[in-house]
Amino acid sequence: GAVVSQHPSWVICKSGTSVKIECRSLDFQATTMFWYRQFPKQSLMLMATSNEGSKATYEQGVEKDKFLINHASLTLSTLTVTSAHPEDSSFYICSASRGTSSTGELFFGEGSRLTVL
Amino acid sequence: DAKTTQPPSMDCAEGRAANLPCNHSTISGNEYVYWYRQIHSQGPQYIIHGLKNNETNEMASLIITEDRKSSTLILPHATLRDTAVYYCIVRLIQGAQKLVFGQGTRLTINP
Repeated sequence: GAVVSQHPSWVICKSGTSVKIECRSLDFQATTMFWYRQFPKQSLMLMATSNEGSKATYEQGVEKDKFLINHASLTLSTLTVTSAHPEDSSFYICSASRGTSSTGELFFGEGSRLTVL
Repeated sequence: DAKTTQPPSMDCAEGRAANLPCNHSTISGNEYVYWYRQIHSQGPQYIIHGLKNNETNEMASLIITEDRKSSTLILPHATLRDTAVYYCIVRLIQGAQKLVFGQGTRLTINP
């Protein structure tokens, strides 16, 4: 099946620093990618929709300037957590759609666990 | 997107069939039913999806009621590795392809 890879799988950083997480579709082109955040024992929360070549669409309550999303190619989207704080510690997951049809399933990455000290 | 209702947790014995229910009483005609599962600390895994007909693949079967207001995911012979949180999601056919996750059902397979 289609593969979506995230890097890094885990990262620890100091408060105030910025962290970049990459999401790659390895064997297909993804016009649209999605970024989710998941806190312990909670469900996935959609943060934003990343469209190749255009600005990302953020969900209500998600700070655009804090969570910078860049989708520069059909196989790569990046999420940068700027000026990270301990409350940003979470499991960040991306997903990508292989087909242009909405009936195509979304494939998810393995997730990136961010810990901010 | 229409919302779904699932029991928060279920238990099933290893080797038995696991039947996970989902209510989606406000589903509209242009929405599919998707099932994903998430094993601890991993990304969600696609299981199956359907519109109105029952579907079966190598992982599971999906039974959708005639009025489409509910569905059941069936894992025919559950194993310990099927222990996970299972999410039932309805998703628009047109427009945005995003998946909006509810709380899901935590399925525990017991030896």
